[in-house]
Amino acid sequence: GAVVSQHPSRVICKSGTSVKIECRSLDFQATTMFWYRQFPKQSLMLMATSNEGSKATYEQGVEKDKFLINHASLTLSTLTVTSAHPEDSSFYICSARDRGSLAKNIQYFGAGTRLSVL
Amino acid sequence: AQKITQTQPGMFVQEKEAVTLDCTYDTSDPSYGLFWYKQPSSGEMIFLIYQGSYDQQNATEGRYSLNFQKARKSANLVISASQLGDSAMYFCAMREEKSNYQLIWGAGTKLIIKP
Repeated sequence: GAVVSQHPSRVICKSGTSVKIECRSLDFQATTMFWYRQFPKQSLMLMATSNEGSKATYEQGVEKDKFLINHASLTLSTLTVTSAHPEDSSFYICSARDRGSLAKNIQYFGAGTRLSVL
Repeated sequence: AQKITQTQPGMFVQEKEAVTLDCTYDTSDPSYGLFWYKQPSSGEMIFLIYQGSYDQQNATEGRYSLNFQKARKSANLVISASQLGDSAMYFCAMREEKSNYQLIWGAGTKLIIKP
C-alpha cells in the first residue's frame, strides 16, 4: 500500500510556542490531504481538507488562525499549531488521498503526532 | 442521525476464531464507498479493505473480507483465523460521492484477541 510519513511522532512543548507537523506522501502524489484530531477512545474528527496549491477548507469550529495548514506540493502538507495551549494537547493524524488507486481514492494515513502542551 | 453505526464497542475473541465486526450505514447517495481501518495502540491508521457501492462482489484482502449487504445497508468486516496481532481498534468509514473525498467515521470497535 501507499506510504504516508508524518513527523514528528511526539512533541512536548511549552504553552505559547508553535508546533509544525509534516505529512508527506512517499510514493504517490496527493492532491488532497486531510488533517484529523483524535481524542482518547474516540473516533477521528476531521479538522480540515487541504488541496495542493489552494487554501485549506476548515471544518466548523476549527480556528484557521490557530491551525495553519499549508499544502505547497503534491507530496507535502504541514499543520502548524500556533501559540499552543494545554487544551490543544491531542493526537493529530494526517491522511493523503491516492487518486491513482484505481479510482478508489483511498486515504492512507501517517502514524500520527502526539502533542503535549505544558 | 448517525451515518455510520458500529454497535459493538468492544469484543473479545479467542485466537484462531473468525471475527465479524458490524457496521451499518445511512446514505441517500447512490454512489459511495465503504472502508475499514485498523488502529493499533501505536496510533497509526491502517487501511484494510474497500467496497464500492456498485461492486458486484464482496471485497476480500487476505484474511479480511467485507460482507456487503446493500439492501440492509451493512458492511461487516470478517477476519478469518484471528491472530493476537489483530487486537486493535477497528473503524468503519464511508465516503459519499458528494463529499469531496471526506470520510464519515464510525465510533469504532475495540477487538481483543485472547490466546
